[in-house]
Amino acid sequence: GESVGLHLPTLSVQEGDNSIINCAYSNSASDYFIWYKQESGKGPQFIIDIRSNMDKRQGQRVTVLLNKTVKHLSLQIAATQPGDSAVYFCAENMGYGGSQGNLIFGKGTKLSVKP
Amino acid sequence: GAGVSQSPSNKVTEKGKDVELRCDPISGHTALYWYRQSLGQGLEFLIYFQGNSAPDKSGLPSDRFSAERTGGSVSTLTIQRTQQEDSAVYLCASSQLPGTEAFFGQGTRLTVV
Repeated sequence: GESVGLHLPTLSVQEGDNSIINCAYSNSASDYFIWYKQESGKGPQFIIDIRSNMDKRQGQRVTVLLNKTVKHLSLQIAATQPGDSAVYFCAENMGYGGSQGNLIFGKGTKLSVKP
Repeated sequence: GAGVSQSPSNKVTEKGKDVELRCDPISGHTALYWYRQSLGQGLEFLIYFQGNSAPDKSGLPSDRFSAERTGGSVSTLTIQRTQQEDSAVYLCASSQLPGTEAFFGQGTRLTVV
């Protein structure tokens, strides 16, 4: 029978290694992107954002890369820790104004950190 | 309050009954979003409010779903004649402006039995 749900892709990394989570976004007109972390039973939590006039932005242990040519976004986590285990979502937003402001989420990637 | 508040945190209802879910956004935030998340799934966009503009209802799955935002602040998502497939976590988020960081509430877990 037809599957009615999708299993989230899973990334398994060793504690201390770097993690790279990828996301393909859908709309070439999107000009603002956010990465969220969601732990079990909680709402999504903001990690880092980037606007389309940039191709890289760094935070604490995290870096977001944006490739507008291929509509690709990635999140790099340095020295991954067990507390980083969660589901990570990218979101795209068409920016300021009117009906173009809604925030659309990607499917998510489950990050599992092995001690 | 300091963050986005949703109530109730859990709701169990019988099939066919109507339910109302409430969202209190962060004070001063003009944009408000509702999403639905089924177990182990991503966030499905439902509806988006921005200031006094007409809401973007393009994500509402059926006419049993409706939402309103009174006074540009509190929002209520109403599901009429609930069905078992409506069981999910309903998440609300707000942002100061569209195209800026959106903050999420903890969600309302709806179970239709």
